[in-house]
Amino acid sequence: NAGVTQTPKFRILKIGQSMTLQCTQDMNHNYMYWYRQDPGMGLKLIYYSVGAGITDKGEVPNGYNVSRSTTEDFPLRLELAAPSQTSVYFCASSLWEAGGTDTQYFGPGTRLTVL
Amino acid sequence: AQSVTQLGSHVSVSEGALVLLRCNYSSSVPPYLFWYVQYPNQGLQLLLKYTSAATLVKGINGFEAEFKKSETSFHLTKPSAHMSDAAEYFCAVTTTGNQFYFGTGTSLTVIP
Repeated sequence: NAGVTQTPKFRILKIGQSMTLQCTQDMNHNYMYWYRQDPGMGLKLIYYSVGAGITDKGEVPNGYNVSRSTTEDFPLRLELAAPSQTSVYFCASSLWEAGGTDTQYFGPGTRLTVL
Repeated sequence: AQSVTQLGSHVSVSEGALVLLRCNYSSSVPPYLFWYVQYPNQGLQLLLKYTSAATLVKGINGFEAEFKKSETSFHLTKPSAHMSDAAEYFCAVTTTGNQFYFGTGTSLTVIP
């Protein structure tokens, strides 16, 4: 199993540009998540999904969009990039079943800089 | 809503000394609690998790944590620090699996 993969690893955007961060997992997990990590701030949840076709906002969703058309893929879209979106983005997945949650498995991250 | 507080953003210990990283949580329902480790330029890796079974949880690399409901704590310990333990450590809580709430992290430095 590759686990959770993310592309690209690094990206520099100009203000106002758009891009999609890709995330794929091959563990057949039902839950998937997008976080951003800023220095000294820990991880903040942007969006999550509990299954294909179902997504919901996390703590910091403004400026982002997601979709989940398959169990495996959970892309994150930035429509109009702003300097405040400079961050490291992590995708994660987990298996949630009745009676408890499994561990979150994290991808290696995408380092995004908006200039 | 849940939350996690990690006391001490930076902790330094000597090699071979006890490691103690503090985590206190807030939750109105029984929580699931996790400790993750992050090495530079990498994603997070699970160290251990509490899911309402034994209150003393053993994880990888010699780490363990004890769930104390009366103190709302889930502190991470390791009897003897190793140089390879130097990393960022995050405590996290969830009750539904929908949203995980992470602490702001503790950077562990191990002094030779």
